[in-house]
Amino acid sequence: ETGVTQSPTHLIKTRGQQVTLRCSSQSGHNTVSWYQQALGQGPQFIFQYYREEENGRGNFPPRFSGLQFPNYSSELNVNALELDDSALYLCASSLVGGDGYTFGSGTRLTVV
Amino acid sequence: AQSVTQPDIHITVSEGASLELRCNYSYGATPYLFWYVQSPGQGLQLLLKYFSGDTLVQGIKGFEAEFKRSQSSFNLRKPSVHWSDAAEYFCAVGPNAGNNRKLIWGLGTSLAVNP
Repeated sequence: ETGVTQSPTHLIKTRGQQVTLRCSSQSGHNTVSWYQQALGQGPQFIFQYYREEENGRGNFPPRFSGLQFPNYSSELNVNALELDDSALYLCASSLVGGDGYTFGSGTRLTVV
Repeated sequence: AQSVTQPDIHITVSEGASLELRCNYSYGATPYLFWYVQSPGQGLQLLLKYFSGDTLVQGIKGFEAEFKRSQSSFNLRKPSVHWSDAAEYFCAVGPNAGNNRKLIWGLGTSLAVNP
């Protein structure tokens, strides 16, 4: 049983640029959620995808978008990066009706 | 409103001492409850979870937690802390039905362990 894999592990971008973060879900999981964790804070829910459609969203602007692919892997895209977007981005996969969440190790994004 | 409160931002204990980290939640129905641990610069590791049944749950690394419905609490305990337990601890709640998988998190408790 594989876990959740996120790439890249670290990333530095310039304000105004766009970034794509990737997540490979745990085998057998059909839902992926993305969280933003600012330094010293708890994770904040960005959105989740189920059956390749967004079916839940937190308080994040539209410049945060995502995709889920048929193999349940996922991307998080952030446009027009702002300094406050600097954070650890965590991906979690789970199974609807299941009882667990598996987190990846995260992508550390720094916006300068 | 749905929320998770971890009242203690920072706790310091001596190695070998007992530990209790507090977690209170506000949620529309009885949620699933979780405790995660995070070492500096790392992702989240699940310590334990509660879904139903026995309100005292056992987790990894010698941790346990007790769900108290009347107090809306899910406190984490360990009888004897090891230096390697120094980390950030997060309490989280999530729905126990439907296809909404959103977790709501506390702000975390930072644990320091004195030798």
